[in-house]
Amino acid sequence: KAGVTQTPRYLIKTRGQQVTLSCSPISGHRSVSWYQQTPGQGLQFLFEYFSETQRNKGNFPGRFSGRQFSNSRSEMNVSTLELGDSALYLCASSLGTVDNEQFFGPGTRLTVL
Amino acid sequence: AQSVTQPDIHITVSEGASLELRCNYSYGATPYLFWYVQSPGQGLQLLLKYFSGDTLVQGIKGFEAEFKRSQSSFNLRKPSVHWSDAAEYFCAVAPNYGQNFVFGPGTRLSVLP
Repeated sequence: KAGVTQTPRYLIKTRGQQVTLSCSPISGHRSVSWYQQTPGQGLQFLFEYFSETQRNKGNFPGRFSGRQFSNSRSEMNVSTLELGDSALYLCASSLGTVDNEQFFGPGTRLTVL
Repeated sequence: AQSVTQPDIHITVSEGASLELRCNYSYGATPYLFWYVQSPGQGLQLLLKYFSGDTLVQGIKGFEAEFKRSQSSFNLRKPSVHWSDAAEYFCAVAPNYGQNFVFGPGTRLSVLP
């Protein structure tokens, strides 16, 4: 079974631009969660989508948004990029309940110049 | 609000020595508890999880963890460390719904030959 894939793996943008990251979950998984990982703040939960609906949301500004498609693939968008948005963005997929293991992708490394 | 602390930022052990990584959490009820490992450039891999029942849980790669409700702790242990165990280790808690995990800051493990 293929794992969680994230594209692109690396991205360089400049301040003020917007970016879209993609996550393809494991086949059959309906939940996709997104996390931001930085050296200063560690791993922080952004949001979770389940069956195309945002089910949980972390404490991030509205510049961070996401969506999920009917095939469970998810995209995350960050508008008006700031230097502080430079991070590793991880997505995780699962069957959808907390007792189901979350499987993490390798992440997208975003650098904002 | 839920929080997770991992008091040790960096630990160095010799190969073959025993290991204990500490994790303390703050949560109103008994949370779901997890340990993940992240190797450089990789996503996170689940080592083990605790939901209920036996407070000593066994995981992959020879790891185990013990839940102590009185101390709000979930420490990770391994009797004999291998060089391949060098990585970053994250403790996480989740409410009994959804996938919005709260991660600790991580402990980086170095292994001396």
